Amino acid sequence: QVQLVQSGAEVKKPGASVKVSCKASGYTFISYAVHWVRQAPGQRLEWMGWINSGNGDIRYSEKLQGRVTFTTDTSASTAYMELSSLRSEDTAVYFCARNPPVTGFNDYWGQGTLVIVSS
Amino acid sequence: QSALTQPASVSGSPGQSITISCTGTSSDVGGHNSVSWYQQHPGKAPKLMIYDVSNRPSEVSNRFSGSKSGNTASLTISGLQAEDEADYYCSSYASSHTYVFGTGTKVTVL
Repeated sequence: QVQLVQSGAEVKKPGASVKVSCKASGYTFISYAVHWVRQAPGQRLEWMGWINSGNGDIRYSEKLQGRVTFTTDTSASTAYMELSSLRSEDTAVYFCARNPPVTGFNDYWGQGTLVIVSS
Repeated sequence: QSALTQPASVSGSPGQSITISCTGTSSDVGGHNSVSWYQQHPGKAPKLMIYDVSNRPSEVSNRFSGSKSGNTASLTISGLQAEDEADYYCSSYASSHTYVFGTGTKVTVL
């Protein structure tokens, strides 16, 4: 069955970077894009961007462009999201989600990774 | 890209029908049929309920339906049940391969 398993919670200081992993199983990893979505405590979902390891396409939200980097390790069927220059407003649960080809929706989601930014 | 606008809360009694709206612009909701809806229970990951405006994944109850008119998409829940109490988010393709979520709606079953 399709599964996306994310790395564990992180606590970081302002200015630091964090890297979250998302290991996929149960499907052909390179045939689907991976979207990243975050949710600050008590707040709405916020779209961060996506990466397609099959063709190398990447898109970042305007808000995070320049601070966020998506990568993949196709041999490990794993996607990564790295966010740098962390600030308190980056405290959130970060989700990865599978995006079927030529579609605009996410059908399977990871369990989420809590990132806390605090001095 | 501004968030799509949803009502903060909607409530209904068991068995009733409720509708959640999702208002965007001609650049997102009105310009594309790539609108999806997600259900999120507290502390859980979102779950896909509707995709491409009105299509339902096979595992989702047929009590959930979607539609769109102009710049506003809607999610209707019929025969409201206690388990439907959750937050609901719409999402739309925006432009240049970017996406946007709605502000979210808390559904309460009275």
